[in-house]
Amino acid sequence: EVQLVESGGSLVQPGGSLRLSCAASGFTFSSSWMNWVRHAPGKGLVWVSRINSDGSNTRYADSVKGRFTISRDNAKNTLHLQMNSLRAEDTAVYYCATLDPHYGSWGQGTLVTVSS
Amino acid sequence: QAVVTQEPSLTVSPGGTVTLTCGSSTGAVTSGHYPYWFQQKPGQAPRTLIYDTSNRHSWTPARFSGSLLGGKAALTLSGAQPEDEAEYYCLITHSGAYVFGTGTKVTVL
Repeated sequence: EVQLVESGGSLVQPGGSLRLSCAASGFTFSSSWMNWVRHAPGKGLVWVSRINSDGSNTRYADSVKGRFTISRDNAKNTLHLQMNSLRAEDTAVYYCATLDPHYGSWGQGTLVTVSS
Repeated sequence: QAVVTQEPSLTVSPGGTVTLTCGSSTGAVTSGHYPYWFQQKPGQAPRTLIYDTSNRHSWTPARFSGSLLGGKAALTLSGAQPEDEAEYYCLITHSGAYVFGTGTKVTVL
């Protein structure tokens, strides 16, 4: 069974940093491109970032470019999102997801709240 | 980045058929945008229904089908069930990145 479990969300002050993690199991993580998607309260889904299977290629939404960094550790089947210079508008549930046609799975999400 | 637009809300009768569409500000949506469709219910994580325009996952009910229609991606729900009431989002690839649509709230009533 494919499982994605996010962790690391919490309350952080504006300008602060946070590192999210996503533990993967039940599929060949090292072969799968991975994504982070966020869902702010009362808003729609927003794609945040994606990374290719070996970590050599990454892309970001304009709203987080230069502040967020996606990475992965294929030896530990783990995906990360380093978030710096956080703003109130970054408040959301953050999901990791694979859009791989074989798996198409999402985690349950972790809540990030940016507030003073 | 492109703006991807969906109908804000649609209502369908139980057993009825409804079509959701997904259009891009940059022009026609084609198979080269590899459209996806997701279902999200309140308090739950999204679930992938359709990938690459029209392919269902093993868990996707056959009443959901994806296509291209008039320059847009489309999701058709045939034989709506009460449990299909949810928010539906499309996603397309654009310049190596992804963009979600604005979402459609489907009510089964």
